Amino acid sequence: GAVVSQHPSWVICKSGTSVKIECRSLDFQATTMFWYRQFPKQSLMLMATSNEGSKATYEQGVEKDKFLINHASLTLSTLTVTSAHPEDSSFYICSARVGGDATFFGPGTRLTVL
Amino acid sequence: DQQVKQNSPSLSVQEGRISILNCDYTNSMFDYFLWYKKYPAEGPTFLISISSIKDKNEDGRFTVFLNKSAKHLSLHIVPSQPGDSAVYFCAASEGANAGKSTFGDGTTLTVKP
Repeated sequence: GAVVSQHPSWVICKSGTSVKIECRSLDFQATTMFWYRQFPKQSLMLMATSNEGSKATYEQGVEKDKFLINHASLTLSTLTVTSAHPEDSSFYICSARVGGDATFFGPGTRLTVL
Repeated sequence: DQQVKQNSPSLSVQEGRISILNCDYTNSMFDYFLWYKKYPAEGPTFLISISSIKDKNEDGRFTVFLNKSAKHLSLHIVPSQPGDSAVYFCAASEGANAGKSTFGDGTTLTVKP
């Protein structure tokens, strides 16, 4: 199937700093990408839908000023966690849609905020 | 209110036997359902899906059953293999927009050799 990568796979940062996570579709163009976060032993929670060339659509309760999403090209979407705090520590996963209903997930990024 | 529920956080079965993972949903607007498999520190991998116009979909060892009246679906794995040990997520969406899905909490399946 299609390949979606995320970088970095693991990041530790100090409280108050910003962290950028990249999501790339390696062998296809994705007009739509999705960002999820997963807390330990919990389900994946959709944070936002990212459409190439337009503003992201955020789910209720997700702060758009804190979780900045940019989908500048058909193969790259970025999630920036601004002024990260320990409660932002989580596993962030992106997915990319390949037409129809085919959606492929990235491997995830483990964020730990000290 | 959790719209997709997987009431069993864990399941253990013997290799070769059947694994049955269950999922219930409350939103009657959901009409497309998916199962994902996830290993620790990895993203979910799509397994199998079913639309509400069907009540069964089979792909190799994996079969998903949908009971719309009960708002219940299940994933059957036959025969179970040790490599099937993972967390299985049930997800549901309105329309075949699999990316914008609501996920259950997952069931950890352990297949013992």
